[in-house]
Formats: sequence, C-alpha cells, structure tokens
Amino acid sequence: SQTIHQWPATLVQPVGSPLSLECTVEGTSNPNLYWYRQAAGRGLQLLFYSVGIGQISSEVPQNLSASRPQDRQFILSSKKLLLSDSGFYLCAWSVRLENTEAFFGQGTRLTVV
Amino acid sequence: GENVEQHPSTLSVQEGDSAVIKCTYSDSASNYFPWYKQELGKGPQLIIDIRSNVGEKKDQRIAVTLNKTAKHFSLHITETQPEDSAVYFCAASRNQFYFGTGTSLTVIP
Repeated sequence: SQTIHQWPATLVQPVGSPLSLECTVEGTSNPNLYWYRQAAGRGLQLLFYSVGIGQISSEVPQNLSASRPQDRQFILSSKKLLLSDSGFYLCAWSVRLENTEAFFGQGTRLTVV
Repeated sequence: GENVEQHPSTLSVQEGDSAVIKCTYSDSASNYFPWYKQELGKGPQLIIDIRSNVGEKKDQRIAVTLNKTAKHFSLHITETQPEDSAVYFCAASRNQFYFGTGTSLTVIP
C-alpha cells in the first residue's frame, strides 16, 4: 500500500533562518507531488506541484522553493524565513496521468518567531 | 487558474440534522471534484468524490451533487453525528487540485 511521510511534525524557527521540509512517498512510482500551505483558519493554498524529477511548477510567488531530487521525494525550502511563512504545510501525492484523489501527509506546523 | 469558492465558512447543526456545504468553480475544464475532511492537526482525508460525467453520488450518510452548467457542487451530510465535526474542503481538479477555503462544521449533541 502507498504511504506518505512528512517531517518534522512541528518546527519553530527564527526569522531569517533556513527551512527544509521533506516529504517521501512509498509504494508508488511517478507520482504527482504537491506542497500546500494552510494559514490559520484559511484554506489550502497550492504552492508547488511536480510531475517528475526536477520538474517543479510554482503557483504563487513565495519566499519558498521546492525541489524533487528523486522520484518520490519532494522538498520545500527557504533561504530566509519570514514571519508570514508560519502555517501548516501539507505534502500530497496523486497518481500521474489519472485525475484521482490526492493523498495528504500529516502536515508540518511551522512557527516562525 | 482555477478559483474555487466555498460557503459557508462555519456551520453549526444539531445532532441528527442535515448539513449542506456549497462550492463553485471557475474552470469549465475541471472534471474531478473531491471532498475532504480535516480533523485538527491532521492532513485532509477524502470522504467522497464525483466526476464531471456524473450528477450525483451517495455513500451512506454523505452525498455530493454536481451541476456542470452552473459550475457548482454541494456536499450533503444527513443524520449528522458529533464525530462529523471537522473542517470540510471541496476541490476542483483538472491536473492540479484547487481547494475551497473550508467549512468548519460543528455538530451539537
């Protein structure tokens, strides 16, 4: 069966520090991968999606970047965090070339102080 | 890109009553419409979905309807229970998933 792992679960970082959130998927190949951000009391904002290794599409200009160094690994990064980067970050995957459900990780609660 | 609007943002119902959440979308090419339930501190989980070639789908107490012409779709929960309390998200998808802003549902025992 397929599983998605996202870590860490919680993170407190000072303003100006770097960020690296990692997401890996097991049990499937060539997945579409997504990073979403959920600000407090708000919806899910699509940040990045990827249809293959090294292929990243950005939905919204951000202080963030994403990379996909391996087929089932998706990394969200920042060189210098801002207070506004605080939120709940969710990684998700879906089957490529099929329009079916997205499966979400358990999320990372990031607080920038 | 796609724009998904969701209403209401909060909803309180008495246990046993029905709850209805409505969404509209803008991209007529979207052809897959999932609904997710998110409990506090967790990732969203799919509860029901519908494709553009279907007008209605039901799974026990949960049903979804889709009106392609009007570009809106709705979630219906009947006989609500306290464990239905959560945040619900609609989404529209063609290649990527675009989510509504969520509805916080509270079922009052």
